[in-house]
Amino acid sequence: AQSVTQPDIHITVSEGASLELRCNYSYGATPYLFWYVQSPGQGLQLLLKYFSGDTLVQGIKGFEAEFKRSQSSFNLRKPSVHWSDAAEYFCAVGARAGGTSYGKLTFGQGTILTVHP
Amino acid sequence: DAGVTQSPTHLIKTRGQQVTLRCSPKSGHDTVSWYQQALGQGPQFIFQYYEEEERQRGNFPDRFSGHQFPNYSSELNVNALLLGDSALYLCASSQLTSGGKLRTGELFFGEGSRLTVL
Repeated sequence: AQSVTQPDIHITVSEGASLELRCNYSYGATPYLFWYVQSPGQGLQLLLKYFSGDTLVQGIKGFEAEFKRSQSSFNLRKPSVHWSDAAEYFCAVGARAGGTSYGKLTFGQGTILTVHP
Repeated sequence: DAGVTQSPTHLIKTRGQQVTLRCSPKSGHDTVSWYQQALGQGPQFIFQYYEEEERQRGNFPDRFSGHQFPNYSSELNVNALLLGDSALYLCASSQLTSGGKLRTGELFFGEGSRLTVL
């Protein structure tokens, strides 16, 4: 069974500082990997995804993530955080089956990001 | 282009009652998945509908059922509500196939229906 671990429940950074959110997954083969962001009371917005190819993927809002197969990790990074980045971030893994995840994702418990001015 | 829309946005029920939540997928999408997000938790997969059939199911009891209509919209029904069913219910749509080929199934989420069971 696939699983996702986000070790940090809550991270606080200063505006303008760099950010790295950790994600470790468990899956028997190469999975589909995703990062979503959720503002309070809102749905999930896709930041970026990894399906295949280049292991460094670029997303929206200046975020990037690197897939490291040897470490089973897919950490999210941003070089300079803005106050509007304060939200909850979820890492998710989807199983591959005939080229699709079939919409079934396993999510981590999330990391709450607080940004200080 | 309208995204995924869900209704109602908020509702309050009492234990033992039944609830129906509705979802309209993003234009061009043929697949709807439902997730339950309890407070402070990540979303958990309930089930997925494609071609009006339940294709995959997560670890949820039979009290949770669904339906997909010919226009790809979907309903989630929960019977005999328990206090523990209080959560944000998220609908996500995706395009499973295009031109007869499987796509990767990237999900687009709605803003959710917040259910409170008293």
